[in-house]
Amino acid sequence: ETGVTQSPTHLIKTRGQQVTLRCSSQSGHNTVSWYQQALGQGPQFIFQYYREEENGRGNFPPRFSGLQFPNYSSELNVNALELDDSALYLCASSFMREGGSGANVLTFGAGSRLTVL
Amino acid sequence: AQSVSQHNHHVILSEAASLELGCNYSYGGTVNLFWYVQYPGQHLQLLLKYFSGDPLVKGIKGFEAEFIKSKFSFNLRKPSVQWSDTAEYFCAVIAFSGGYNKLFFGAGTRLAVHP
Repeated sequence: ETGVTQSPTHLIKTRGQQVTLRCSSQSGHNTVSWYQQALGQGPQFIFQYYREEENGRGNFPPRFSGLQFPNYSSELNVNALELDDSALYLCASSFMREGGSGANVLTFGAGSRLTVL
Repeated sequence: AQSVSQHNHHVILSEAASLELGCNYSYGGTVNLFWYVQYPGQHLQLLLKYFSGDPLVKGIKGFEAEFIKSKFSFNLRKPSVQWSDTAEYFCAVIAFSGGYNKLFFGAGTRLAVHP
């Protein structure tokens, strides 16, 4: 089975720009979550997508948005970049049963490291 | 609000020493608990998980963790560490809310094992 793949692996942007990060979920998974990992911290939940809709969100402003596609891949978009957006962005996929509840194990990608200058 | 606390940010051990990494969580409901490991230059990998049943769970590479409900703890242990265990370790709690799963991570513990 293929794992979670993310692109690009590294990128540099300047303040005010916009960025799109991409994620291909693991085969058999239908749910994608995005996390932000700032230097020296644990990952922080941004949002989750299930059935092509956002069904959960952490404490991130609306300039963080996303998409999930019919093949379960996903994009994370960040507008009006700020210096504090510099971080490792992690995508994780999982399988969620009908009804949306129940524990599941997340499989993480290697991340996209964003530097904002 | 849910939170996860890891007591040690940096741990340095010699090979063959025993390891215990502390993790406490704050959440009033049923919890599912995880330890993830991030080896240098690699992605987060699941080390072990607790969903229900026996509170002592065994994971990969000789790691184990004990869920103590009364102490809201899920400490990670290994009797004898190896140089290859050098990595960052994250404790995480899953919270169920409105039909989605949200993982709360601790800040991580960076383990360095010297030969």
